[in-house]
Amino acid sequence: DSGVTQTPKHLITATGQRVTLRCSPRSGDLSVYWYQQSLDQGLQFLIQYYNGEERAKGNILERFSAQQFPDLHSELNLSSLELGDSALYFCASSDTDRGQGNIQYFGAGTRLSVL
Amino acid sequence: GQNIDQPTEMTATEGAIVQINCTYQTSGFNGLFWYQQHAGEAPTFLSYNVLDGLEEKGRFSSFLSRSKGYSYLLLKELQMKDSASYLCAVRDTSYIPTFGRGTSLIVHP
Repeated sequence: DSGVTQTPKHLITATGQRVTLRCSPRSGDLSVYWYQQSLDQGLQFLIQYYNGEERAKGNILERFSAQQFPDLHSELNLSSLELGDSALYFCASSDTDRGQGNIQYFGAGTRLSVL
Repeated sequence: GQNIDQPTEMTATEGAIVQINCTYQTSGFNGLFWYQQHAGEAPTFLSYNVLDGLEEKGRFSSFLSRSKGYSYLLLKELQMKDSASYLCAVRDTSYIPTFGRGTSLIVHP
C-alpha cells in the first residue's frame, strides 16, 4: 500500500457527462500529480499541484481541470466525456516538487469507462 | 521533449536473470526511475539513478550511463510474481518524469 488513496476505483458513465476523481496523498506529501494511462498511450502526465497551487501542466485537455484543496487532497474533473477518455487515471504524490530524491508514489487508480 | 525507448516484451524462465534496457534522449537530465506495474494496478517504485553506476536493491539492480543515455534494470532469481510491466521514466529539469511505454516481462516455469 503506497498510502495514496483514490476514489472511486471504477466509474462507468456516458458520453457527454462529467465526473470527478478524488485523490488523497500520502501523509505529509505536498505534491499531487495526475496521470492518464490508456493501452495505446502509456502513462501520460496531466497536471501537478504543490501545496494548493498548480505547478506544472502536461497534455491535459481543456475539458479536464483539477484542483488541490487546503487539506491537500486533489480532485480531477473530466467533462463532456468522450469514448476516448476511457482509461486508467492515476494520482501520485511526493513530499516536495523539487529535489533529487523526489519520488512519486502512485495510488491504485480509477478505471473510467465511457459508454 | 524526451524520447524513451524500451523493448515491448521480454520472456524469461523462473530462477534466471533478465536485463531490461532503456535508452533515452533528453535535454537537462535530472534522474531516471524504474517502476513495476502489474496489470490494472498502480506503478510501484523500484529504483532511482541520478549518477552513473549501479544501484543494487535486493534482487533488483539498476544501472545508468548518462553519457550514453542508457539504463538497465537487472532482475535476478526471477519469480513468477515478477511477471509485470517495467516502466522506465526520465526526469528533466522540470522535475516531471516522462514514462516510457513499458516492457512487459513474462516469467514462465
